[in-house]
Amino acid sequence: AQTIHQWPVAEIKAVGSPLSLGCTIKGKSSPNLYWYWQATGGTLQQLFYSITVGQVESVVQLNLSASRPKDDQFILSTEKLLLSHSGFYLCAWRGQGTNTEVFFGKGTRLTVV
Amino acid sequence: GQQVQQSPASLVLQEGENAELQCNFSTSLNSMQWFYQRPGGSLVSLFYNPSGTKHSGRLTSTTVIKERRSSLHISSSQTTDSGTYLCALALRGSNYQLIWGSGTKLIIKP
Repeated sequence: AQTIHQWPVAEIKAVGSPLSLGCTIKGKSSPNLYWYWQATGGTLQQLFYSITVGQVESVVQLNLSASRPKDDQFILSTEKLLLSHSGFYLCAWRGQGTNTEVFFGKGTRLTVV
Repeated sequence: GQQVQQSPASLVLQEGENAELQCNFSTSLNSMQWFYQRPGGSLVSLFYNPSGTKHSGRLTSTTVIKERRSSLHISSSQTTDSGTYLCALALRGSNYQLIWGSGTKLIIKP
């Protein structure tokens, strides 16, 4: 069975500090990977997607970056956090193909102070 | 305009009543998924339903592509069903972006 693990569960960070959020998918080779973000009270937005190792596409510009260093790992990061980065970050995966279900991690709650 | 419209925004029912949640979409879709969002933010997948009707316990999802709508029916509601329900439409395209409904806040009173 496939599992998706996100870390950390929650973070409180200062404005201007760096950030790194991680996501690991086990039990599935070559998954499509996604990062989603939800501001408090807002709707979920897709930030990045990756269909293969080393390739990441940006969907929404939020002064964040993403990388896929391994087939099963997706990293979201920034060198300088903004207050507007606060919110809930979700990593997701789905299998290859045109019509497959998307599975989500449990998310990371980020508070920037 | 909005590609996914979810209704109602909120719904208050007595325990035992049935709930009907709706999502209407204005674009071609690859698939529709329904989620329950926990108060902390994490998502519980309820249905992956590109078309037709699916059942899971007291929950039923129906997606009718021709009519561009998908519904979530909860029968004999319980207080533990309270929370926020989200539909998500997967667009055609390489990035398989999910477009989210704005959510239905369901409150079931004892």
